[in-house]
Amino acid sequence: DGGITQSPKYLFRKEGQNVTLSCEQNLNHDAMYWYRQDPGQGLRLIYYSQIVNDFQKGDIAEGYSVSREKKESFPLTVTSAQKNPTAFYLCASSSWDRGSPLHFGNGTRLTVT
Amino acid sequence: QKEVEQDPGPLSVPEGAIVSLNCTYSNSAFQYFMWYRQYSRKGPELLMYTYSSGNKEDGRFTAQVDKSSKYISLFIRDSQPSDSATYLCAMTGSGYSTLTFGKGTMLLVSP
Repeated sequence: DGGITQSPKYLFRKEGQNVTLSCEQNLNHDAMYWYRQDPGQGLRLIYYSQIVNDFQKGDIAEGYSVSREKKESFPLTVTSAQKNPTAFYLCASSSWDRGSPLHFGNGTRLTVT
Repeated sequence: QKEVEQDPGPLSVPEGAIVSLNCTYSNSAFQYFMWYRQYSRKGPELLMYTYSSGNKEDGRFTAQVDKSSKYISLFIRDSQPSDSATYLCAMTGSGYSTLTFGKGTMLLVSP
């Protein structure tokens, strides 16, 4: 079955540590995205990538970094510079066509204490 | 003014009711409109997709777009407890751009 796999489902880290969230897709989509979801805030775009080896900042990129070395993979690193890292993180993919809908993974809940 | 406005709810209805969920938007360039359903602790799943104005029906779900009023709706007929979820609207223009999401409306359908 084609889809997006995010791992792990739950992640716990101590403050000051960097942590990397995994996202893999087998939909053959060119574009991939990372969103952060907080209660009452909706989905906020962190980074997106239209093609391998290229990515763009979204609305809240500070304290995050990404890489896109393979079409299937778009890992997100939450650095110690991110002031409020505890959140639900969603990865998505789409074809890079006009109006293409996003397909989402089931998210990673990150808790930093 | 936010680009996309959506009442957060919660909207509570009895099983079997007709549900109406709505979003308003300010950007007249939006051409593609989507509705996503998100269950608790899961990722959003695409429910309905429409281009420009008009209606689209899929089973118990109907999506309606009124571009002149900048208003989109999702109707759910014969609502079921399994419809209890957060519903997010999303939209984008005719160029190559990312989606703009509403903040979501929580729906609770009681048996």
